[in-house]
Amino acid sequence: GEDVEQSLFLSVREGDSSVINCTYTDSSSTYLYWYKQEPGAGLQLLTYIFSNMDMKQDQRLTVLLNKKDKHLSLRIADTQTGDSAIYFCAEREGGTALIFGKGTTLSVSS
Amino acid sequence: NAGVTQTPKFQVLKTGQSMTLQCAQDMNHNSMYWYRQDPGMGLRLIYYSASEGTTDKGEVPNGYNVSRLNKREFSLRLESAAPSQTSVYFCATEDPSGDTQYFGPGTRLTVL
Repeated sequence: GEDVEQSLFLSVREGDSSVINCTYTDSSSTYLYWYKQEPGAGLQLLTYIFSNMDMKQDQRLTVLLNKKDKHLSLRIADTQTGDSAIYFCAEREGGTALIFGKGTTLSVSS
Repeated sequence: NAGVTQTPKFQVLKTGQSMTLQCAQDMNHNSMYWYRQDPGMGLRLIYYSASEGTTDKGEVPNGYNVSRLNKREFSLRLESAAPSQTSVYFCATEDPSGDTQYFGPGTRLTVL
């Protein structure tokens, strides 16, 4: 079945770049997403990428998609303490449900 | 424009009690979803509704029922709560293009 894998933790210093990685198994995925969850809050859509794209940039966020390796990454430039959160990678399964990874906890130290 | 709202925010139940989690949206979206989030497990789909009056099972539907009586509201019911249903429950809607899901703030449920 479909599966989305992420590393569980990432720790960076303020001002550095953060790279959060994700692998997925469903080659028919049409969209891939990055969501952010702050403590005690719901999920906030950060960005998404169509499967026919290789890269998408949105201010400090860069998403890279390697379809051959089924690998998705989220780069956050100039990481700030406010970026500390859990980041979820998700793929769309057959036009209906989102399949989520377990989430990567990003810790930013000053 | 509140987006997606959920009530209650917190709830504690005893094993065997029943309750209904409410979700409402003012985005005029057809599709709505219920997920549960457990530590280290990501989000798992419980039920979804593609349109008013229709519902379908997701990955983990056992122990739950849903109701989509109108376009705005999608409720999740626990008929006989169990400790394994202790979780954070999220409702979501999807825009008509199918690109994006928008999440509510969640309901934190504890079953003792």
